[in-house]
Amino acid sequence: DVKVTQSSRYLVKRTGEKVFLECVQDMDHENMFWYRQDPGLGLRLIYFSYDVKMKEKGDIPEGYSVSREKKERFSLILESASTNQTSMYLCASSSPPGAEAFFGQGTRLTVV
Amino acid sequence: GNSVTQMEGPVTLSEEAFLTINCTYTATGYPSLFWYVQYPGEGLQLLLKATKADDKGSNKGFEATYRKETTSFHLEKGSVQVSDSAVYFCALSPPGGATNKLIFGTGTLLAVQP
Repeated sequence: DVKVTQSSRYLVKRTGEKVFLECVQDMDHENMFWYRQDPGLGLRLIYFSYDVKMKEKGDIPEGYSVSREKKERFSLILESASTNQTSMYLCASSSPPGAEAFFGQGTRLTVV
Repeated sequence: GNSVTQMEGPVTLSEEAFLTINCTYTATGYPSLFWYVQYPGEGLQLLLKATKADDKGSNKGFEATYRKETTSFHLEKGSVQVSDSAVYFCALSPPGGATNKLIFGTGTLLAVQP
């Protein structure tokens, strides 16, 4: 059974903290994605990676960075968390182009 | 550019009612089209997909047909159940390119009452 696993279901962090969200997939997929989900806005792409050490900005990259040192792991980093980054974060992986993406269970992040 | 528009929710139905959730898209060429479902507190799961014009995707009683002439991919189910209550997302994967960045609609909340 295919699996995308996010390290935390719920996180509470303080403003200004550096926050790491981790995602691991076991399907040997080339592509990995980080989305943010907010009510009324749907899913918005933050960053994606199409290979180890390769990354591209999505639609809303400001305030975020990513790291992909190994094929199976894709990390989202909030350099200095702010309250407007309170949201649900979803990781996904896919391969090849045109195929469906598989999602993790989501991390609900609250920044106080 | 590429985009997906789906009907606003929430959609509230009684059990055994007929469901339609509209989805239209804008894309050059022939994108792949998807419907995803998100149950409360969960991530997204693929519900069905279609990769070329006139394809019909189906799963768990849900169906959607890829209509190139109307650029639509409407989701239908003949008789909904309480357990179908969830948020439904229409999405497309643009044609060409080395990756399949999915572009999502804003989601439609479906609430089915007993």
